[in-house]
Amino acid sequence: GQNIDQPTEMTATEGAIVQINCTYQTSGFNGLFWYQQHAGEAPTFLSYNVLDGLEEKGRFSSFLSRSKGYSYLLLKELQMKDSASYLCAVMSSNYQLIWGAGTKLIIKP
Amino acid sequence: IAGITQAPTSQILAAGRRMTLRCTQDMRHNAMYWYRQDLGLGLRLIHYSNTAGTTGKGEVPDGYSVSRANTDDFPLTLASAVPSQTSVYFCASSDGQGDYNEQFFGPGTRLTVL
Repeated sequence: GQNIDQPTEMTATEGAIVQINCTYQTSGFNGLFWYQQHAGEAPTFLSYNVLDGLEEKGRFSSFLSRSKGYSYLLLKELQMKDSASYLCAVMSSNYQLIWGAGTKLIIKP
Repeated sequence: IAGITQAPTSQILAAGRRMTLRCTQDMRHNAMYWYRQDLGLGLRLIHYSNTAGTTGKGEVPDGYSVSRANTDDFPLTLASAVPSQTSVYFCASSDGQGDYNEQFFGPGTRLTVL
């Protein structure tokens, strides 16, 4: 079967760094996406990884290890507006996205 | 219009009624998708369309139908609504070219079936 696992909830402090992990088992792999979703809003694209390694985009970075079926999203210099759910999604062999349930990130002052 | 719009924003529906959720995009994207999002579960694909005139079934298609008469519109119909279809429904679109297939989401429709 196809499965994507990520922690349900994490808490971090404003100004700190947090790492959100995602592990996956899917039928084929054509890339991994991270999306951000604020409560009551639509998901918005954050990052895409298809090759192993780290992709950096401002305060956000995403890492992929295809051999381990593992990715993480790293958020630096946390701000209150980063309080949201972070969704991991894998593009499988049929080019459809398989979604994790999301990690709710709570930022405390 | 800029991006993807969905209508209605929210709806309360009696069980057994027919309902169509509307989705329109102005980005000329080839592919469009309908997802439902339920608490504790990931987004689940209901139906998709890779290009105008074609549709396909996703993970949870039962009780739903779609059509894709043109590039811009992708309505989702519940023929006879049941309480288990209470959910938030998101429409999305993508250029559908190659591996990098970023999906853009509409604002969602919150549907309650009583």
